[in-house]
Amino acid sequence: KAGVTQTPRYLIKTRGQQVTLSCSPISGHRSVSWYQQTPGQGLQFLFEYFSETQRNKGNFPGRFSGRQFSNSRSEMNVSTLELGDSALYLCASSYTGAFNYGYTFGSGTRLTVV
Amino acid sequence: AQKVTQAQTEISVVEKEDVTLDCVYETRDTTYYLFWYKQPPSGELVFLIRRNSFDEQNEISGRYSWNFQKSTSSFNFTITASQVVDSAVYFCALSEGDSGGSNYKLTFGKGTLLTVNP
Repeated sequence: KAGVTQTPRYLIKTRGQQVTLSCSPISGHRSVSWYQQTPGQGLQFLFEYFSETQRNKGNFPGRFSGRQFSNSRSEMNVSTLELGDSALYLCASSYTGAFNYGYTFGSGTRLTVV
Repeated sequence: AQKVTQAQTEISVVEKEDVTLDCVYETRDTTYYLFWYKQPPSGELVFLIRRNSFDEQNEISGRYSWNFQKSTSSFNFTITASQVVDSAVYFCALSEGDSGGSNYKLTFGKGTLLTVNP
């Protein structure tokens, strides 16, 4: 059974650019969540999608957005990149999204903004 | 608001020593879930255990054990006879079960870097 796949694994972007990260959940999982991990702030929740609907959003500026497709794959987009957006972005998938079912994380996309 | 505190930023032990990682949480919900994840250098968060707020039984899985005490809002993790392969960052996390959308996210502690030296 394939795990959660995140692409690309590494990315280098310039300040002001935009970036799109992709996450393919485990087959059959309909919930996808995104987290940002930085040395200073730790792991922070970005947003969660279930059946193409955003159900919860963390405390991030509007430059951070996401979407989910009918096949449950998800993308997150960051526009007008800032140096502080450099981070490991982790995606997690779950059957329903409720944590009594648990989440499986991908290996992440490491974004460097220069 | 929910909060998870892992007071130990870094711990260094010698192989075969026992080590306990502390986790203290705050929540107003009566239904919640607690988790431990391991993050090796590769970056992936590896699930270790999930506990719901109504199950205070301690759990043992091989060299790993967890002590859940609602009275002190703690969910501590012990590794017995540590090994070099246990070296990683360990995260404690909380999900609230009663608060609608809060059920769909994890609140993480800052993590504890465990280094097991040979």
